[in-house]
Amino acid sequence: NAGVTQTPKFRVLKTGQSMTLLCAQDMNHEYMYWYRQDPGMGLRLIHYSVGEGTTAKGEVPDGYNVSRLKKQNFLLGLESAAPSQTSVYFCASRALGTEAFFGQGTRLTVV
Amino acid sequence: AQSVTQLDSHVSVSEGTPVLLRCNYSSSYSPSLFWYVQHPNKGLQLLLKYTSAATLVKGINGFEAEFKKSETSFHLTKPSAHMSDAAEYFCVVSASNSGNTPLVFGKGTRLSVIA
Repeated sequence: NAGVTQTPKFRVLKTGQSMTLLCAQDMNHEYMYWYRQDPGMGLRLIHYSVGEGTTAKGEVPDGYNVSRLKKQNFLLGLESAAPSQTSVYFCASRALGTEAFFGQGTRLTVV
Repeated sequence: AQSVTQLDSHVSVSEGTPVLLRCNYSSSYSPSLFWYVQHPNKGLQLLLKYTSAATLVKGINGFEAEFKKSETSFHLTKPSAHMSDAAEYFCVVSASNSGNTPLVFGKGTRLSVIA
């Protein structure tokens, strides 16, 4: 099993450009999450999904959009990238009551 | 609502001495609690989890944590630190029976191990 796979692993964007980060899981998990990690801040929740076709805002949703058209995929979009969105992004999935499984992260730099 | 407070942002210990990383939580629901470790430029690895079974939880690499409801704490301990334990550690809380309450992370504790 691959577990949770994030693509791409690295990306450099110019301010104002758009991009989509893909998260794919093969564990049939209902719940999926997008976090961003910044020094000294821990992981902060951007958006999450409790099932196919559903999404909800987390702690820091501004500037991001998400979609979960298929159970196994959770997409994170940046419509107009800003330098403040420079971060490491982690996707996670889990079943109810269990631990979360994380992808390896995407390091995004916005210049 | 849920929240996690990791009481130390940085802990430094000598190799072979005990490790204590402190975590307090707040949860409106019966909580599930986790400790994750992140080595430099790596992803997150589960160390151990509490999900309403035994209050003393044993994890990988000799770590363990004790759930204390009366103190709302879930401190992580290890009897003897190893150089390879140097990493960032995150305490995480979630509701044990609700998927609508996502995982909430503490800000992390960086563990340094001195030879």
